[in-house]
Amino acid sequence: DVKVTQSSRYLVKRTGEKVFLECVQDMDHENMFWYRQDPGLGLRLIYFSYDVKMKEKGDIPEGYSVSREKKERFSLILESASTSQTSMYLCASSLLVQETQYFGPGTRLLVL
Amino acid sequence: EDQVTQSPEALRLQEGESSSLNCSYTVSGLRGLFWYRQDPGKGPEFLFTLYSAGEEKEKERLKATLTKKESFLHITAPKPEDSATYLCAVPATGTASKLTFGTGTRLQVTL
Repeated sequence: DVKVTQSSRYLVKRTGEKVFLECVQDMDHENMFWYRQDPGLGLRLIYFSYDVKMKEKGDIPEGYSVSREKKERFSLILESASTSQTSMYLCASSLLVQETQYFGPGTRLLVL
Repeated sequence: EDQVTQSPEALRLQEGESSSLNCSYTVSGLRGLFWYRQDPGKGPEFLFTLYSAGEEKEKERLKATLTKKESFLHITAPKPEDSATYLCAVPATGTASKLTFGTGTRLQVTL
């Protein structure tokens, strides 16, 4: 079974803090993704990575950066957290492009 | 512009009352359609992938079908444990790796 884990289920941060969200997958997948999910807006892609140290912007990359130093780990960084970044953050991975994406349990982030 | 529209937004069924959820899409050159189930506060759980019109897949009380313009998720004799939000997604036009998601159908099955 594919397993995607995320470092925290719930996180509370202050405005202006730097926030790190980590995602690890154990299936040797090439592709990894970060989404945020908000009521009425669905899942929106923030960034994805198709190889170690390779990344591409998704639909809403502003205010975020990512890091992929190892194949199994993909980090999402909020450089200076804002209240508008309060959301559910979901990580996913897939073996190949266009293949099924498997999701982690999500991190619910609250920025005060 | 790619669009994925799911209907209804919410559906309430009694246990045993069969129904269907709809996912209509506009994308150039469909390269797959994905169905997921999402429980509150959790990540989406993969259900099915469909690749061509006429294809069908089944899992327990769920059956997914695909036409050139839409997909249906049929739920036969649902149980309360089928209560969840069901999401569909398609690969975005012009890029192989991005998925465009619908906003989901929230299903509640009562006794």
